[in-house]
Amino acid sequence: AQSVTQLGSHVSVSEGALVLLRCNYSSSVPPYLFWYVQYPNQGLQLLLKYTSAATLVKGINGFEAEFKKSETSFHLTKPSAHMSDAAEYFCAVTQSGGSYIPTFGRGTSLIVHP
Amino acid sequence: GAGVSQSPSNKVTEKGKDVELRCDPISGHTALYWYRQSLGQGLEFLIYFQGNSAPDKSGLPSDRFSAERTGGSVSTLTIQRTQQEDSAVYLCASSFGTSGLHDEQFFGPGTRLTVL
Repeated sequence: AQSVTQLGSHVSVSEGALVLLRCNYSSSVPPYLFWYVQYPNQGLQLLLKYTSAATLVKGINGFEAEFKKSETSFHLTKPSAHMSDAAEYFCAVTQSGGSYIPTFGRGTSLIVHP
Repeated sequence: GAGVSQSPSNKVTEKGKDVELRCDPISGHTALYWYRQSLGQGLEFLIYFQGNSAPDKSGLPSDRFSAERTGGSVSTLTIQRTQQEDSAVYLCASSFGTSGLHDEQFFGPGTRLTVL
């Protein structure tokens, strides 16, 4: 079985500050991990994904995430927040050799203050 | 090229009525997913189509929910005898569905369903 936990339903940062959104997963086999972003009234779009290559994955809009097997984590970071980063962020997991149906976390709403 | 499209964008209906939600996936994508998104609840998987295989219906919450995919392209999600708890945003996604590859999903903008 696979599961995803996103700590913090809301994260608030000031413009220019570091963004850190947490994701922990549970998987009995090597996982595939994804971060998606959802802007208001839009569908989700892929930020980045981990597929067992490099553990540090770089995505769009300056975001990156590091896969840490020992911590079963895949936290999303961005060095400097921009107002346009305000959105809902979802972490998702699928399993090698398993179903292609991903399990999504509950999402974290990123609030950026001027 | 065109992305995933969904119609209608908003649907208001009365309790007990049937509704149909439509999804047009990206051309060439063999995999299609339906999800339900309720406030603060994340994405709830409903149903998954892959090519000509039998769909995975394991996420459908009740027998009032059904979906079909005609010709391996357009999909329709039908909710019969709608209830107030069905109110949510229904998202459709498609992917290449390449065997052995866990592809990213491309999402439509969703249909916001309100049951009065």
